[in-house]
Formats: sequence, C-alpha cells, structure tokens
Amino acid sequence: EVQLVESGGGLVRPGGSLRLACAASGFSLRDYDMIWVRQAPGKGLEWTSYISSFGHSLTYADSVRGRFFLSRDNAKNSLSLQIRDLRAEDSSIYYCARAFSFGGAVIDLWGQGTLVTVSS
Amino acid sequence: DIQMTQSPSSLSASVGDTVTITCRASQDIDNSLAWFQQKPGKAPKSLVYAASRLQDGVPLKFSGRGSGTDFTLTISNVQPEDFATYFCQQHQGLPLTFGGGTKVE
Repeated sequence: EVQLVESGGGLVRPGGSLRLACAASGFSLRDYDMIWVRQAPGKGLEWTSYISSFGHSLTYADSVRGRFFLSRDNAKNSLSLQIRDLRAEDSSIYYCARAFSFGGAVIDLWGQGTLVTVSS
Repeated sequence: DIQMTQSPSSLSASVGDTVTITCRASQDIDNSLAWFQQKPGKAPKSLVYAASRLQDGVPLKFSGRGSGTDFTLTISNVQPEDFATYFCQQHQGLPLTFGGGTKVE
C-alpha cells in the first residue's frame, strides 16, 4: 500500500525539541520531493518546509526558519523533521506530504499526521 | 507571498446539489492551483492540481477551472461523503500558500 506514516509527536515544554519522522512505503522516496504542512486545532493548513528529492534544495517558511531542520534518507525511505525552540504557536498536527514537480511542487499524498502540543 | 482567498467560508448543500467554491490568488499564478478535501479528524486528500487535472482515483464529479487569479471547484451531485472542508493552494512556488477553507455542510 502506498502510504506515509508520521511519528514522534507529543507534549513538549516551550523551548524544547522534538524529532518527527515520516516513513514511506509502497513507493520509492527518491522519486519525490517532500513537504511538511501543519494545522493548528480548528485552523487552516500552513506549509512549513520543503526538501527536494535528493536533498539538495531545502526551503523553510519564515515562521520556522532557524528552528526547523529537514532531512531525508532515501535508502531508508524516510524523512525527518527536527524542531527546536518549540513555541506555543507550533502546537499543531504535522503532516508529511509527497510532492511531484508540475508547475511547482504538487502534493498528491498525505500522511495521517502526528500531533505536537507545546505547553508547560 | 501569494495570498489565497476562498469564498464562501461555508455553504449549505443538500444531497444531489451542485456546489461551486471560489478561490482567488493575490497575483497571477497561471494554472498552478490545487484543491484538497478534508474530513473531520482526517488528513487532507488531494483532489485537483494544475487547476483542472484530477488526481488519480478522484471521481469526475469534481471539476476545477480557472487560470490567472480566479479559480473554482465544482462538486456535482453532492453525496453524504462529500460533506467536508475544501482548501485551495497555489503550487506555483514556495512558500506554498493555502486558502482559509470552505466547509460544505
């Protein structure tokens, strides 16, 4: 089955760190760019980060730059998002998403999401 | 950044209706527009890309149109499983930006 499965979410204190993982199955991760999108409870979707298929290009949203660090291991078909200096406003469901190039990065597959809660 | 504005924010529909959702970009994005469906407690599902191309497996009842700054998503013969929130998103470039969503209820 073609799917993405996120893990690593949880309750973290402000200023803490977390590593989210995204495991791909049913397809080869090296064939796709990858994206993380987050969604605060009851809110809309917010793009946070992008990594090209072989990791040569990384781009972050202004709101997370310098605190989010994205990496990938194509041999293990996995993606990792390191988050540092967590803030209350980072509390969200984090989705990893697969993207292909067609007039930009087109998302065609989403993971089920992992919840990050930042609270003291 | 490109701002995406959806309207309406919610709409009421009955089974069998045809509904149309509008999305407007703050600048010309050619046809780089995607639509997603999200049901409560679930991840988004990709429906449309490049304004009018359906993702694999998406039924023909969904149709997207538009180019430049104005786009629409039309859902024909609305069924119970179509009641959800729909988001547009520009994929012309980074940062990817989303509309605020339209709840079809």
